Amino acid sequence: NAGVTQTPKFRVLKTGQSMTLLCAQDMNHEYMYWYRQDPGMGLRLIHYSVGEGTTAKGEVPDGYNVSRLKKQNFLLGLESAAPSQTSVYFCASATYRDYYSYNEQFFGPGTRLTVL
Amino acid sequence: AQSVTQLDSQVPVFEEAPVELRCNYSSSVSVYLFWYVQYPNQGLQLLLKYLSGSTLVKGINGFEAEFNKSQTSFHLRKPSVHISDTAEYFCAVSDFSGDQGAQKLVFGQGTRLTINP
Repeated sequence: NAGVTQTPKFRVLKTGQSMTLLCAQDMNHEYMYWYRQDPGMGLRLIHYSVGEGTTAKGEVPDGYNVSRLKKQNFLLGLESAAPSQTSVYFCASATYRDYYSYNEQFFGPGTRLTVL
Repeated sequence: AQSVTQLDSQVPVFEEAPVELRCNYSSSVSVYLFWYVQYPNQGLQLLLKYLSGSTLVKGINGFEAEFNKSQTSFHLRKPSVHISDTAEYFCAVSDFSGDQGAQKLVFGQGTRLTINP
């Protein structure tokens, strides 16, 4: 049981290049999330998904796109990378019990992205 | 909208001394409260959570936190720290009003705890 894994661990891009970050979970979780972590700003939610085939915007969605074609995978895409997207990206997943129950988020190890 | 403020960006303490990391939140609805720890070059690990009930919450590694609704605070404490507690600590809040039950976390800015021998 690997939990939440992220690929790649590190990446350096040039401005304008594109790339996709992969998040995979083997816990059969319904919910998946993408966050970015910047110094002095904590983690901020980019996009999230409540199930296969559905995605929604979080707090800072501009410049990113996501897809959830399979329940276990959540992809984060940068179509035209900018230096402002230099950050550490974390994926998380959570199961669903019922609307008012607490659903703990489990985090992946992160992807460190540098855009030059 | 919810927000979280961690009042100290850095906290240096000596080993075996007590420590308190402060967290204040704002929300117009009932919330869940969390503390996460991030060791160097690692992901986030849940330290403790407040969902309901007793306002004093105990977590892993000897940490505890107290929920104070009137002061909208959720301060983290440890009576005696160790070198291994050196890490960044994040306070977070979520509610259960999200899209189909998706509980979105709002994080504070983080507090870097440094333990000196």
